[in-house]
Amino acid sequence: GEDVEQSLFLSVREGDSSVINCTYTDSSSTYLYWYKQEPGAGLQLLTYIFSNMDMKQDQRLTVLLNKKDKHLSLRIADTQTGDSAIYFCAESMDSNYQLIWGAGTKLIIKP
Amino acid sequence: DTGVSQNPRHKITKRGQNVTFRCDPISEHNRLYWYRQTLGQGPEFLTYFQNEAQLEKSRLLSDRFSAERPKGSFSTLEIQRTEQGDSAMYLCASSWSGMKGSGGYTFGSGTRLTVV
Repeated sequence: GEDVEQSLFLSVREGDSSVINCTYTDSSSTYLYWYKQEPGAGLQLLTYIFSNMDMKQDQRLTVLLNKKDKHLSLRIADTQTGDSAIYFCAESMDSNYQLIWGAGTKLIIKP
Repeated sequence: DTGVSQNPRHKITKRGQNVTFRCDPISEHNRLYWYRQTLGQGPEFLTYFQNEAQLEKSRLLSDRFSAERPKGSFSTLEIQRTEQGDSAMYLCASSWSGMKGSGGYTFGSGTRLTVV
């Protein structure tokens, strides 16, 4: 069956890089996403990557995809207090079809 | 456009009562999705519409749950005879089916349901 797994917590110091990891099981996944959820807010799409790509960079965000190991990571450079949130990894076979979600990684920023 | 709007933001109801939530998607979007999220979990897919047609329903959607999108614009999600296990955040999202490769979902802020 389909499954997406993430660590529940990550703690980093302000200014350091954060690396949030995700593994998935469905090798037919075409699109992989990272969403951010702040307390009391909805889910905000941060970035996405096609399964035929290895890396995507967008300002402070870098997504790495290892399709062989079914491993996805999100690197946030120069982590700021505003980055405190829960980060969800999700996969789908179609960009507009249902998403399969991980349980989310809570990013905690230490001063 | 103000994005995806959900009402109410919070709903507290007694067990056994019926509740209805509303979602207004982005006007250009023809697809609308309902998800449910409980504490410490990622969202779980409930159902989705393309225009007014309900194309898929999760087996999570028991017969107490019904969703409509009568004119292909706003949608309602009704839960009949609520149970404490229905307590969750109900999320609505919309997208445009022609928007390939954009990761096209826009989520609303959700309706938090508490059944007491």
